[in-house]
Amino acid sequence: EVQLVQSGAEVKKPGESLKISCKGSGYSFTSYWIGWVRQMPGKGLEWMGIIYPGDSDTRYSPSFQGQVTISADKSISTAYLQWSSLKASDTAMYYCARRPPQVGSYWFDPWGQGTLVTVSS
Amino acid sequence: QTVVTQEPSFSVSPGGTVTLTCGLSSGSVSTSYYPSWYQQTPGQAPRTLIYSTNTRSSGVPDRFSGSILGNKAALTITGAQADDESDYYCVLYMGSGVWVFGGGTKLTVL
Repeated sequence: EVQLVQSGAEVKKPGESLKISCKGSGYSFTSYWIGWVRQMPGKGLEWMGIIYPGDSDTRYSPSFQGQVTISADKSISTAYLQWSSLKASDTAMYYCARRPPQVGSYWFDPWGQGTLVTVSS
Repeated sequence: QTVVTQEPSFSVSPGGTVTLTCGLSSGSVSTSYYPSWYQQTPGQAPRTLIYSTNTRSSGVPDRFSGSILGNKAALTITGAQADDESDYYCVLYMGSGVWVFGGGTKLTVL
């Protein structure tokens, strides 16, 4: 079974750093893209960026470029989303999702269960 | 910046048919944007319904269908059921490895 399992909920203070994870299983991790999606409380989905673990090719939404860093460790089939200095406005649920590698395959499935990040002083 | 538009809310009677749309603030949606649709119920991760305009994801009932209607992508639910009451999101591929989600449509079945 193809699965994406995300790390647990985090509570942080403004200015702290954070790295959350998304572990893939049941498929060749290096052969599929992993995307990250933000959902602020009571709001819609926002596409943040995507990484191809095979060669670490990474793309960002202009809205998130410079605000977060997406990375992957293919040796442990895990993708990451990290912040160097959190803000209260980073409080949200974050989802990872898999994208097939083929040209013309521009959708996301499956999705991780989500990681809730709360930033509060 | 490109804005992807969806109806904020929609209502359908049980057994009825509803069409949700996904447009662009400037221009028309075509198959070249590879529209996909996701269903999300409160507290749950999104579930993939439709991809590449009109292909149903595995396990999705055939009462869900996707298409291009005029200048928008569309998700049609035929024979709506109570458990279709959810938020529905479309996402469009903008090229160069960038996607944009619509704001979502809250569907009420009553």
